[in-house]
Amino acid sequence: AQSVTQPDIHITVSEGASLELRCNYSYGATPYLFWYVQSPGQGLQLLLKYFSGDTLVQGIKGFEAEFKRSQSSFNLRKPSVHWSDAAEYFCAVGVPYSGYSTLTFGKGTMLLVSP
Amino acid sequence: DGGITQSPKYLFRKEGQNVTLSCEQNLNHDAMYWYRQDPGQGLRLIYYSQIVNDFQKGDIAEGYSVSREKKESFPLTVTSAQKNPTAFYLCASSIEGTGGQPQHFGDGTRLSIL
Repeated sequence: AQSVTQPDIHITVSEGASLELRCNYSYGATPYLFWYVQSPGQGLQLLLKYFSGDTLVQGIKGFEAEFKRSQSSFNLRKPSVHWSDAAEYFCAVGVPYSGYSTLTFGKGTMLLVSP
Repeated sequence: DGGITQSPKYLFRKEGQNVTLSCEQNLNHDAMYWYRQDPGQGLRLIYYSQIVNDFQKGDIAEGYSVSREKKESFPLTVTSAQKNPTAFYLCASSIEGTGGQPQHFGDGTRLSIL
């Protein structure tokens, strides 16, 4: 079965600084990969997804992620963080071409933005 | 605009009561899901339905029940057998019931015990 690890529970970044959130997955082939963001008391919003092709994926709100097969990673990046980016971020993996529709989510990384 | 509507946003339950959380979608999605979210534990899957009139247990189904009589609706009942129901509950849907498609989420219902 697939699994997802987000090694950082909390990360604090200064406003204007760059951001990288880590995500590692375990799966025997190339999975579908997703990043979601959750503001307090809200549902999850899809930031970006990787299905195949170009390993650098662009998403909404200026975020991007890079799929690295050799490292089983799908790290999320943003060049300059804004205070409004403070939220919890979840990485998720799905199994393509399968009978299963469920996704496996990491436990999340809380992003704090300092002035 | 299409989306997922969860109601109510806040719900209070007395000990021994069953309560039902509503989830409606107008995205014409085949699959729907219920998750429970507790601080520091991420999302845990309660039940999912890949098609109308069919549903499967997720990782933490004990104390919960669901129905899927219509494509648009997937209500979750938290029964009195669920001993620790206080949590944030999220409903989601995906266009297909197979293949790890992206899920779209509602804004959640926060359930508390009185």
